[in-house]
Amino acid sequence: ETGVTQTPRHLVMGMTNKKSLKCEQHLGHNAMYWYKQSAKKPLELMFVYNFKEQTENNSVPSRFSPECPNSSHLFLHLHTLQPEDSALYLCASSQGGSISGANVLTFGAGSRLTVL
Amino acid sequence: RKEVEQDPGPFNVPEGATVAFNCTYSNSASQSFFWYRQDCRKEPKLLMSVYSSGNEDGRFTAQLNRASQYISLLIRDSKLSDSATYLCVVLPMDSSYKLIFGSGTRLLVRP
Repeated sequence: ETGVTQTPRHLVMGMTNKKSLKCEQHLGHNAMYWYKQSAKKPLELMFVYNFKEQTENNSVPSRFSPECPNSSHLFLHLHTLQPEDSALYLCASSQGGSISGANVLTFGAGSRLTVL
Repeated sequence: RKEVEQDPGPFNVPEGATVAFNCTYSNSASQSFFWYRQDCRKEPKLLMSVYSSGNEDGRFTAQLNRASQYISLLIRDSKLSDSATYLCVVLPMDSSYKLIFGSGTRLLVRP
């Protein structure tokens, strides 16, 4: 496996379900991200982890709960979502830090979520 | 005002044409600038970073104008495979991680 892999690629869930999205990066990067992409809207940053520590929480509702057990894995736990949460959820990684090029993102293919 | 603004397009051009996109950003203290490309139903991928002196990569040229707070992307000799959405991305000075994405400009290159 290379790059950034996300599972599942597609997920349909009811509003009372609990599910999780998984992301794994094989690039040796230190920072991992969750972005949300809705139709006709720009990518919205949700969470950032650097060396497993959360550095950004972009005012995301608590029904989205991230988990980063190590620098290579990132999860997004989903609970009691709303239909407006239906979107493409993109995981990304970067080298991290302030050196030149450290914030260039490599994205996974995304998990397309539909909430019924 | 949006932090990063782009004309959504679509720009519909024939093969071989030259096309230019502009992007404006609101935070004058932004430190880094990028163009990403996103194909239909795919993830965004880095096209090129944008440097103060301007930079070129083959048919693609990026320019930064800090005084006017805009970034441009010029594509020469357009190919059918250039059809995609081009995302302007800005990194504010106060963050190493909080990249701000524009909504994207859609390009359609026709035969």
